[in-house]
Amino acid sequence: GAVVSQHPSWVICKSGTSVKIECRSLDFQATTMFWYRQFPKQSLMLMATSNEGSKATYEQGVEKDKFLINHASLTLSTLTVTSAHPEDSSFYICSASQTGTSSYNSPLHFGNGTRLTVT
Amino acid sequence: AQSVTQLDSQVPVFEEAPVELRCNYSSSVSVYLFWYVQYPNQGLQLLLKYLSGSTLVKGINGFEAEFNKSQTSFHLRKPSVHISDTAEYFCAVRLSYNTDKLIFGTGTRLQVFP
Repeated sequence: GAVVSQHPSWVICKSGTSVKIECRSLDFQATTMFWYRQFPKQSLMLMATSNEGSKATYEQGVEKDKFLINHASLTLSTLTVTSAHPEDSSFYICSASQTGTSSYNSPLHFGNGTRLTVT
Repeated sequence: AQSVTQLDSQVPVFEEAPVELRCNYSSSVSVYLFWYVQYPNQGLQLLLKYLSGSTLVKGINGFEAEFNKSQTSFHLRKPSVHISDTAEYFCAVRLSYNTDKLIFGTGTRLQVFP
């Protein structure tokens, strides 16, 4: 089955530094990937839609300059948390849909998430 | 605007008992409906989905859900739960005319006790 790999699974960084999270579709091509943020014991909040070869579409309230998204290939999207602060600590999850499948029946495949802790 | 409501934040149940996790949605257009399960520190795994056709949908791990258009509900059920079903369950909707953007409910923590 289709697999989405997220790396790293855990990361601890100091306040003010930047952290990059990778999301890879291992056995399929993904024109579109999605980045979610999940606070403890809360739901997933969509941050942005990542489109291969074009700019990401951010949801209202998400800082574009804070959360940089790059989708340079059909199998890789990256999320960079710039100048991270403790309030950015969260669980970040990506998902991807397979290119070429119709939106009607296109399943979303989720990565296992990245736990970011900013000290 | 579309929204998803999961009224129960936590559902405790004993092993082998039946369970129902409630989900209601609000949308002015047709939607596709999903249930996902999340184990600790992991991503989401699709349990089942409703796209069209039969309103009773069967998924993995013995779960099923019924789409009720008049009540705008999509409740998840399992006749007999196991300890291993302990997890967080999310209901989600996707707009029929849109892309793959999902709107999630707040989740229900299912805790199965021996």
